[in-house]
Amino acid sequence: GQNIDQPTEMTATEGAIVQINCTYQTSGFNGLFWYQQHAGEAPTFLSYNVLDGLEEKGRFSSFLSRSKGYSYLLLKELQMKDSASYLCAVRDENYKLSFGAGTTVTVRA
Amino acid sequence: IAGITQAPTSQILAAGRRMTLRCTQDMRHNAMYWYRQDLGLGLRLIHYSNTAGTTGKGEVPDGYSVSRANTDDFPLTLASAVPSQTSVYFCASNPTAGGSGELFFGEGSRLTVL
Repeated sequence: GQNIDQPTEMTATEGAIVQINCTYQTSGFNGLFWYQQHAGEAPTFLSYNVLDGLEEKGRFSSFLSRSKGYSYLLLKELQMKDSASYLCAVRDENYKLSFGAGTTVTVRA
Repeated sequence: IAGITQAPTSQILAAGRRMTLRCTQDMRHNAMYWYRQDLGLGLRLIHYSNTAGTTGKGEVPDGYSVSRANTDDFPLTLASAVPSQTSVYFCASNPTAGGSGELFFGEGSRLTVL
């Protein structure tokens, strides 16, 4: 199975940058995903990494190091609407996708 | 509108009762999943199906069963509900189990077992 760790909470100021780290241990790695979830809503897809390196998508970027079992999600130019929970998820060799507990990001004016 | 439909959206249930949460998708996705979400624990995989006719156990399968008779439907059954099964349940789908595409989530079913 997977063991996925990410910080519980982070707070940042509007316009700033925040980096959410995720470490994982898995019996077989087959991709890492980041999802955003606003309170009371379903998660929505942000990014996918399967090879080492940085994937950039607008204000959001995601990085992966498979040898270190490490990923981060970088949120730039923070906006109030970015206040949400960010979920790191790892897929194993059987295509099961397991999620971390999530990081609640609060953006302050 | 294409997507995933879950029903019911909310339900209060007496302990010991049988309950089926319905999930239907019209995107012809092969892979489907059931998660439960509890405060502080995140999303935990209950059961999954990589393609119609096959199912597998996730992290927390005990007390739950699923079936995948066709591509579109993936019902989750609680044979005899217990209070610890109070949670928000999300159904999700993916075009293929091993693809790079996103999981599409339903809006969730909030279940309270008394």
